[in-house]
Amino acid sequence: DSGVTQTPKHLITATGQRVTLRCSPRSGDLSVYWYQQSLDQGLQFLIQYYNGEERAKGNILERFSAQQFPDLHSELNLSSLELGDSALYFCASSGRTSGYLNEQFFGPGTRLTVL
Amino acid sequence: AQSVTQLDSQVPVFEEAPVELRCNYSSSVSVYLFWYVQYPNQGLQLLLKYLSGSTLVKGINGFEAEFNKSQTSFHLRKPSVHISDTAEYFCAVTNAGGTSYGKLTFGQGTILTVHP
Repeated sequence: DSGVTQTPKHLITATGQRVTLRCSPRSGDLSVYWYQQSLDQGLQFLIQYYNGEERAKGNILERFSAQQFPDLHSELNLSSLELGDSALYFCASSGRTSGYLNEQFFGPGTRLTVL
Repeated sequence: AQSVTQLDSQVPVFEEAPVELRCNYSSSVSVYLFWYVQYPNQGLQLLLKYLSGSTLVKGINGFEAEFNKSQTSFHLRKPSVHISDTAEYFCAVTNAGGTSYGKLTFGQGTILTVHP
């Protein structure tokens, strides 16, 4: 158990809909990362938040957005869903200690299926 | 921009045999390198990492990897595999330095299947 929790575990929805994925980082971790894992694209970095502020952006679509709240949990919002958005979405956290030697700990993922 | 190439998408091997999973990277800056393992229906778990110092890095579960800067490689090895090592393995890279590791760029993964 990495200490990172993600809800829900599975999500099935229809095209055009909007969903919210939730991530609770390890206690004390300040950074949250979101990754998408799909069969055709592999594992791709989406976005990083550090202590409530966006720190880095990767291959995140404009239909997707994220935020990190004061209690450090994060939400990834996916809207106008398309079939191709079906994937496993991972959250990772890091930053319990200061400095650059911070390992990323991954949650179990949310499997999104768009029908 | 960085990229990671895992040279084998699937590696079948018999139990107690040695195994090597190959990883090459491309980057214009200094990097940190990682190997993660993903068991079925689970998240990723860090096996080992190279930050600096000795180029031979030892990780969990008897795995080790060697950083070769001239060949831009970071191959993962285990001298004797077990059935329980069956999983998908990912090589990843991030920029060195800074206040956090930052975003990880992953390879496409190598599925290791250990046969009895």
